[in-house]
Amino acid sequence: GAVVSQHPSWVICKSGTSVKIECRSLDFQATTMFWYRQFPKQSLMLMATSNEGSKATYEQGVEKDKFLINHASLTLSTLTVTSAHPEDSSFYICSARGGVGRGTEAFFGQGTRLTVV
Amino acid sequence: QKEVEQDPGPLSVPEGAIVSLNCTYSNSAFQYFMWYRQYSRKGPELLMYTYSSGNKEDGRFTAQVDKSSKYISLFIRDSQPSDSATYLCAMSYPGGSYIPTFGRGTSLIVHP
Repeated sequence: GAVVSQHPSWVICKSGTSVKIECRSLDFQATTMFWYRQFPKQSLMLMATSNEGSKATYEQGVEKDKFLINHASLTLSTLTVTSAHPEDSSFYICSARGGVGRGTEAFFGQGTRLTVV
Repeated sequence: QKEVEQDPGPLSVPEGAIVSLNCTYSNSAFQYFMWYRQYSRKGPELLMYTYSSGNKEDGRFTAQVDKSSKYISLFIRDSQPSDSATYLCAMSYPGGSYIPTFGRGTSLIVHP
C-alpha cells in the first residue's frame, strides 16, 4: 500500500499555544487529504476534507479558525491547532487519497497524540 | 440509524479460530468497501479494498460484500494474537465524493 507519513507522532503543548501537524504522502500524489479526530475507544470523526490548491471543507461543528488546514502541494497537508486548550487534547489522524489511476482507497498516517496542558 | 453499523465488541477468540467481523449499512449507493486494522495509538492500516459485491481473498483475510443485504464481512483464518486490534469497516461512493464513512470499529482480542 501507499505510505503516508504524519509528524509529530506525539506532542505536548501549553494552553494558548499553536501546534502544527504535518501529513505527507511519500510515494504518491494525494489529490485529497482528510483530517480526523479520534477519542478513546471511538471511531474516526471526520474534521475536514482538503483538495490540493483549494480551501478545506469543514464538517459541521468544526471551527475553521481553530483548526487551520493547508494543502499547498500534492504531497503535503498541514493541520494547525490554534490557541490550543486542554479540550483539544486528542488523537489526530490524516488520510490521503490519490487521483485518477490511484483508486479511491485512502491511506492513513500514524496519527498524532496531542496533549494540551 | 447510523449509515454504517458495526458492533464494537470486544470479540474474544482463542488463537487459531476463524474470526468473522461484520458491518451493515443503510445507503445503497455505497460501492467501495474497505476494512482497516488499527492498533492502539496508531493510525488505521488498510487491509482489504473491494468494489461492489463479491469476495476477495488476501492471505488469511477474506472480505465479502453482499450489496443485496447491505452487509459486509471480514473473515480472518488461523487468527493470531498479533491480530488483536480494532477493525474498522468503511465504505464510499462517487456521489459522496468517495469520502469514506466509517463504522465505529470492532475490538478483537485473540488470546494464546
